[in-house]
Amino acid sequence: EAQVTQNPRYLITVTGKKLTVTCSQNMNHEYMSWYRQDPGLGLRQIYYSMNVEVTDKGDVPEGYKVSRKEKRNFPLILESPSPNQTSLYFCASSRTSGVGETQYFGPGTRLLVL
Amino acid sequence: AQKITQTQPGMFVQEKEAVTLDCTYDTSDQSYGLFWYKQPSSGEMIFLIYQGSYDEQNATEGRYSLNFQKARKSANLVISASQLGDSAMYFCAMREGRRYSTLTFGKGTMLLVSP
Repeated sequence: EAQVTQNPRYLITVTGKKLTVTCSQNMNHEYMSWYRQDPGLGLRQIYYSMNVEVTDKGDVPEGYKVSRKEKRNFPLILESPSPNQTSLYFCASSRTSGVGETQYFGPGTRLLVL
Repeated sequence: AQKITQTQPGMFVQEKEAVTLDCTYDTSDQSYGLFWYKQPSSGEMIFLIYQGSYDEQNATEGRYSLNFQKARKSANLVISASQLGDSAMYFCAMREGRRYSTLTFGKGTMLLVSP
């Protein structure tokens, strides 16, 4: 089954404790991205990757890091989480074809930083 | 200025009726893509439909169609024959310029379908 998986789905942590949210897709997509969703602000793109070892900042990259060592994986790293990073996080991957682009989202990760 | 504007915070529609969710966008690029997503109360994000700026025909996917009016910079989502399961938050989004660039979302419209 074609899918994007994220782990963990729920996480409670404390300020300053490094964490990684994993993202994996099994569709051989080149493009992957991370978003955060906050009430009243909608979804905002954090980082995206166009292929292995190629990443770029989205609209809200501060406080986050990413890496793309393999095509299927695109982890999101919070080196020193702060309470303002409490949010719902989505990973997504895309394929393009002659009729346009289709984007697949992971199930989301709810993060609470105390 | 906001790049994506969804002016309807909420919409109500009766089952089996059609509904249009508004989306206007702002870009100076000639090449861009427009997307619609659905987010049910369970939280997952579901891709619905895509329209490229150079596509001459409106995109359609089953009961979803995108009413693309380039001169007005609008990309409204039309859902025909609404179903109870269509109750959800709907987001419009745009990718400007080159294929793999930032995706910008609107703030969403909550659609409630009543029996």
